[in-house]
Amino acid sequence: EIVLTQSPGTLSLSPGERATLSCRASQGISSNYLAWYQQKPGQAPRLLIYGSSNRATGVPDRFSGSGSGTDFTLTISRLEPEDFAVYYCHQYFSSSRITFGQGTRLDIK
Amino acid sequence: EVQLVESGGGVVRPGGSLRLSCGASGFTFDDYGMNWVRQVPGKGLEWVSGVDWRGSSAGYVDSVKGRFTISRDNAKNSLYLQMNSLRAEDTALYYCARVGGAGGLYYGRYDFWGHGILVTVSA
Repeated sequence: EIVLTQSPGTLSLSPGERATLSCRASQGISSNYLAWYQQKPGQAPRLLIYGSSNRATGVPDRFSGSGSGTDFTLTISRLEPEDFAVYYCHQYFSSSRITFGQGTRLDIK
Repeated sequence: EVQLVESGGGVVRPGGSLRLSCGASGFTFDDYGMNWVRQVPGKGLEWVSGVDWRGSSAGYVDSVKGRFTISRDNAKNSLYLQMNSLRAEDTALYYCARVGGAGGLYYGRYDFWGHGILVTVSA
């Protein structure tokens, strides 16, 4: 099973600041099979990034993804109030062992 | 507008069974793989199972193999999860999710999600 480890567990920042969230895989995966989701309280997750760096429909361009192999990053260039939420990475490289990271909580400082 | 609506959750005793359903609308259902993902309230996301567009290929997380069965009825635009031999650790909010951009395979990104249905396994 590919284990995804997200860091930090909690990130406290202010609106307007830059956020950098990390997702590290226990073994190399193709960047085509890595996605990021945003989840707000009481809501279902929302797809932000797929294929490591492709923004989903309607996602603002302040969200960007990068990475390859075992190290992937979600960057939010300038935080808006609505960006404070929990973020998950997700790998579907291993079709029988699909996994998510444990999440990073982005809090308002 | 794509909509996924889960139903069939509730409270069940350990060892019992439940069948979850997910009704889909707003898209051509049999063009897409579909998945179930669960989340213990306040915790992270866990993939449970996925099925391809025809219902001929499926995958399961190890902890539910032999107990859960995923299926679909394309004529009814519906996805199902038959859950048997339920355990306390199966208690969670269960989401139905569409697999986007995968040509009907069951593994891929989840581009649309339902709102989730709560399953509670308790004596």
